[in-house]
Order: sequence, then structure tokens, then C-alpha cells
Amino acid sequence: NAGVMQNPRHLVRRRGQEARLRCSPMKGHSHVYWYRQLPEEGLKFMVYLQKENIIDESGMPKERFSAEFPKEGPSILRIQQVVRGDSAAYFCASSRLLADTDTQYFGPGTRLTVL
Amino acid sequence: GNSVTQMEGPVTLSEEAFLTINCTYTATGYPSLFWYVQYPGEGLQLLLKATKADDKGSNKGFEATYRKETTSFHLEKGSVQVSDSAVYFCAEVTGNQFYFGTGTSLTVIP
Repeated sequence: NAGVMQNPRHLVRRRGQEARLRCSPMKGHSHVYWYRQLPEEGLKFMVYLQKENIIDESGMPKERFSAEFPKEGPSILRIQQVVRGDSAAYFCASSRLLADTDTQYFGPGTRLTVL
Repeated sequence: GNSVTQMEGPVTLSEEAFLTINCTYTATGYPSLFWYVQYPGEGLQLLLKATKADDKGSNKGFEATYRKETTSFHLEKGSVQVSDSAVYFCAEVTGNQFYFGTGTSLTVIP
């Protein structure tokens, strides 16, 4: 039973480029969450999605960031025109049920470095 | 908004020492409470959880008790090992969101 998978594990981009981070939830999980971990800080919630729906994006920056979870395929976190401040570890988590009734399982993260 | 406050690190202990990492939360009601552990270069792994007041979560020798009266969920272990060296995150979930503390780095030396 594979866990949450994220790729790439490491991503290097130059300022102004786009970053696309992928997350495949655990089998049977239809709830996906994205978090950002800045150096020396805890995890900050970004967005919560179910298949084809964004449920809560209150933690997402208003510009340049978007997320989707299509009917088929992985969830994608997209960062356009990256800046150095976007350098962080981005973690995806999934759960079978809603967050307040079920445990979230985390992927290994994608470490984004913006040069 | 909700927040979770945990003891700042880093914490350095000798092997077999007693560990306490304090955690308090601000959410009203009865949120579920969690401790996650993050080993270097890896994602977070669930260590233990408690879903109602006075529940005790336990795993791998770690314990935490849900104290509604003090809004706390302190992590304890009676005898730490070198392999426990990691960053520990306290979290509470309300509705759709997890609220994480900033993490406490633990280093256990032989």
C-alpha cells in the first residue's frame, strides 16, 4: 500500500520560471492538502482539495499560486513566476475522510529552490 | 485564528533521559490533537493522536494526554534514544485545517 507520493523531490528554478509540484494521494484517499514549510518554521496550510473541487484555499497566496486535483491523475500545485521567497519545502497530505475526522498522511515533500 | 504553541528548541538530551515537549492550543471546542515527527529529509509521520478530552495517545514509548482544562497536549517519553533525534510538531485540527506548531528539534546524544 503505497503512501503519499510527491515528485519531484527536489526542484530548482530560476526567478520568473514556473514550478509544478505533483502529489499522488494514498489509494482510497480523496482529500488532498498542501502545506508550505519555510526554513526554521512550521507547516503552513495552503489549500484543501477534493476531486475536481477546491474546498478551502484560505492559506494560498492570492497571486501566482494555484492548485488542482483533477478527476484523473495527481494533484498539482503550480507556482508561476517564482521568486526567491518561494524557496521552501512543499508537503502534500491526504486523508480518506475530512480532516477533523481522519488522520492526514504526509508525502516526503518537494524542496523548491529558486535561484 | 487558531494557533498551536510548542516549546522552542533545539533540545539536546543524553540517551535515556526524560523528554517533555510542551504544546498548547487555542481552538475552542474539542479539536483533535496530534504529534507528528519529521526525520531529516523526510515528510511528517504521525506519532500519536487524541480526539477527546482526557484521551492519552501513545506510540513507540511516547505519550501525550489531551488536557482540556489547560488546553495542552504535552509530549513525553521516559527514556529517549539516539534514534528519536528529529523535529516534533504538535498540531490541532478544526474543520478542514490542521494548525501546526513551529516544531521542536530534538537531538539525543549517546
